[in-house]
Amino acid sequence: QKEVEQNSGPLSVPEGAIASLNCTYSDRVSQSFFWYRQYSGKSPELIMSIYSNGDKEDGRFTAQLNKASQYVSLLIRDSQPSDSATYLCAPPLGGSYIPTFGRGTSLIVHP
Amino acid sequence: EPEVTQTPSHQVTQMGQEVILRCVPISNHLYFYWYRQILGQKVEFLVSFYNNEISEKSEIFDDQFSVERPDGSNFTLKIRSTKLEDSAMYFCASSEGGARTYNEQFFGPGTRLTVL
Repeated sequence: QKEVEQNSGPLSVPEGAIASLNCTYSDRVSQSFFWYRQYSGKSPELIMSIYSNGDKEDGRFTAQLNKASQYVSLLIRDSQPSDSATYLCAPPLGGSYIPTFGRGTSLIVHP
Repeated sequence: EPEVTQTPSHQVTQMGQEVILRCVPISNHLYFYWYRQILGQKVEFLVSFYNNEISEKSEIFDDQFSVERPDGSNFTLKIRSTKLEDSAMYFCASSEGGARTYNEQFFGPGTRLTVL
């Protein structure tokens, strides 16, 4: 049984468009949710965290959480080529509070 | 800006040999973590460490793995008898507070371990 599911992509969007990344998880205990960005050959970098249902906005990034549906998403507005990376959804599972990473969605923003 | 550092950046070893991967967490951080990422696969949690002891570990972190904070700055991961399947990128991370307080984890650049 998969615990964290993400579409591996690649998701290709034109520069300036909205990129929508989605993640579903199976553990009902999860209380906090993290989105990490990982450039090729680099380490993960936390870009957003969300703890309650609804939307959280930070600059061009908006995280959306629906605990009832066990679904979390990340919207990137005005996408830039520098946003091209793999985005990892990381809800802590099993009540551990340790992030459990999905395989990630590869995003390509083309000029 | 403070950052987590890791050495070496690339380690090549023979199967069955012991390796020690080193990390220097951010100086005022109290919680330390090791993750691994096999090429093309997801990042996997190995272990978390606080107050000189392991606080959580995954099922991957078996008896061949150990962690240590030998002095006030270094945090090490030892693999006693490496296997081919240990070939991966190993990331160290640190956070000011624990995972239970939702503190941001800062990752180091990683050590690429190649077992021949």
